[in-house]
Order: sequence, then structure tokens, then C-alpha cells
Amino acid sequence: DSGVTQTPKHLITATGQRVTLRCSPRSGDLSVYWYQQSLDQGLQFLIQYYNGEERAKGNILERFSAQQFPDLHSELNLSSLELGDSALYFCASSVGRGGNEKLFFGSGTQLSVL
Amino acid sequence: GENVEQHPSTLSVQEGDSAVIKCTYSDSASNYFPWYKQELGKRPQLIIDIRSNVGEKKDQRIAVTLNKTAKHFSLHITETQPEDSAVYFCAAGNFGNEKLTFGTGTRLTIIP
Repeated sequence: DSGVTQTPKHLITATGQRVTLRCSPRSGDLSVYWYQQSLDQGLQFLIQYYNGEERAKGNILERFSAQQFPDLHSELNLSSLELGDSALYFCASSVGRGGNEKLFFGSGTQLSVL
Repeated sequence: GENVEQHPSTLSVQEGDSAVIKCTYSDSASNYFPWYKQELGKRPQLIIDIRSNVGEKKDQRIAVTLNKTAKHFSLHITETQPEDSAVYFCAAGNFGNEKLTFGTGTRLTIIP
């Protein structure tokens, strides 16, 4: 167990809908990262938050947004869902600002858009 | 930004043989190079990392080598076992660059 909690584990929804994925980092970790992993694909970085503020942005679609709350948990909001958004979404956390430190991954949320 | 290339994309080796996965990076400022292992249906987990002040690091059957001049680093697994079957990701980063850049992954299959 990495100490990073993601909910829900599975999510099935329809095209055009909106969903929210939740992540609680390890106790003491200030950074939260979101990654998308499609079938047989690598880890695509979406966005990073550090202590409540956005720190880095990857190839995140405009239909996607995220935030980190004062208690450091984070939510990833996906709207106007398309079939291609079906993927495994991982959250990870680290102690500091990242770049040169270990990431602890959650077990992921499997999103299926039908 | 940083670009990390990883080869091969798939690798099959006989149990007991060695496996080598190679990565190259583009940003000379990168100084942190971790390797993550993702078993089927599981989360990625760090198995070993190396910082640019050393050229090699070992942990039992796993070793990583770094060539800063050539900007490449490699993962070596010796005496492979069935439980080594997984997808392996390399990554590169540095303090001040908030995100790690991951390679595209190598699916390693150990043949009994």
C-alpha cells in the first residue's frame, strides 16, 4: 500500500457526461500529480499541484480541470466525456515540489466511457 | 522540455538470463533518473533510482548505469525470474523542473 488513496476504483459513464476523480495523498506529501494511462500506453502527465497551487501542466485537455484543496486532497474533473477518454487515471504524490523525488502512486481509477 | 526515449518497447528473455532496457534523455539539466515497475493491473512502483553524481547503482539483481555525456541510462536485471515480468518505465527529472518525464515503457516477459 503506497498510502495514496484514489476513489472510485472503477467508473462507467456515457459520452457527454462529467465525472470527478478523487485523490488523497500520503500523509505529509504536498504535491499531487495526475497521470493518464491508455491501453498499452505510457504514463501521460496531466497536471501537478503543490500545496494547493498549480505547479506544472502537461497535455491536459481544456475539458479537464483539477484542483487541490486545503487538506491537500485533489480532484480531477473530466467533462464532455468522449470515448477516447477511457483510460486508467493515476494520482501520485511526493513530499516536495517534485522533479527529483520518489513518486507514490495510487491504485488508479479505471474510467470507461460508453 | 525534456524528452525521454525508451527501448525496446517489448523484451522477452529466458528465465535466468539478463535483461537490459535503455533510455535516452534530451535535457542536460536532468539529474534524477528513476525506474518504475508496473505489474499487470497494478500501480507503478519505484524500484531503483540514480542521481547524476554517480555512474552506477545496484540493488541485489537490479542495477542502473548512467552516462551523462551521452545522455543515456540503462536498467539491468540479472538472473531474471517470472516475477520480473512487468512493464518498466524510465524517467528523467531535476529539482526545479516540477514533473518527471516518463519514457514510453518496456514490456518485459520472462519465459519459464
